[in-house]
Amino acid sequence: EIVMTQSPATLSVSPGERATLSCRASQSVSSNLAWYQQKPGQAPRLLIYGASTRAAGIPPRFSGSGSGTEFTLTISSLQSEDFAVYYCQQSNTWPPWTFGRGTKVEIK
Amino acid sequence: EVQLLESGGGLVQPGGSLRLSCAASGFTFSNFAINWVRQAPGEGLEWVSIITPTGTGTYYADSVQGRFTVARDNSKSTLYLQMNSLRAEDTAIYYCAKELVPGPIGVAGTFDYWGQGTLVTVSS
Repeated sequence: EIVMTQSPATLSVSPGERATLSCRASQSVSSNLAWYQQKPGQAPRLLIYGASTRAAGIPPRFSGSGSGTEFTLTISSLQSEDFAVYYCQQSNTWPPWTFGRGTKVEIK
Repeated sequence: EVQLLESGGGLVQPGGSLRLSCAASGFTFSNFAINWVRQAPGEGLEWVSIITPTGTGTYYADSVQGRFTVARDNSKSTLYLQMNSLRAEDTAIYYCAKELVPGPIGVAGTFDYWGQGTLVTVSS
């Protein structure tokens, strides 16, 4: 099973600032990597797939990059609605598809 | 508008059984593989199971293999998860999640729409 490791566990950012979240796979997942956003009491929402393709309706301030084992989600200018938990997930090798433990983006 | 609506969660004793349902609308249900993903209280996400568009193929996480069974009724646009021999560690919110890409599982693994989830609590 591929282990996904996210860092940091918590990121404190001021509104309007840039946030950079990292995700590392225990072995190559090529570009088969997605990012999800989850707010308290809500289901996850797909943000990015294929490592860098924004899902429908996702604003351009969200961007993804990387391939192989190292990936990054960047939020260029944090809005109030962006404070949430973010998960990365690999879809390269299954079963199982595996998620990271999440990065919580909180208000500084 | 794509909608997924889970139901059937509740409190069950260890060793008991429960059947979850996921009613889908807003897309051609029979074209897409559908997954179950769970989230224990305060924890991260764990993929549980997937079923192919026709229902002929099913796959499970090791943690539920042999205890859970996924099925679908394309005539009713509904997905099911039969959960037997439940354990305390199965306590979680269970989400159904639609695949981004229609067709066989070979291109699966990205979940573009999720239901609101249904809570399963296994406790005596």
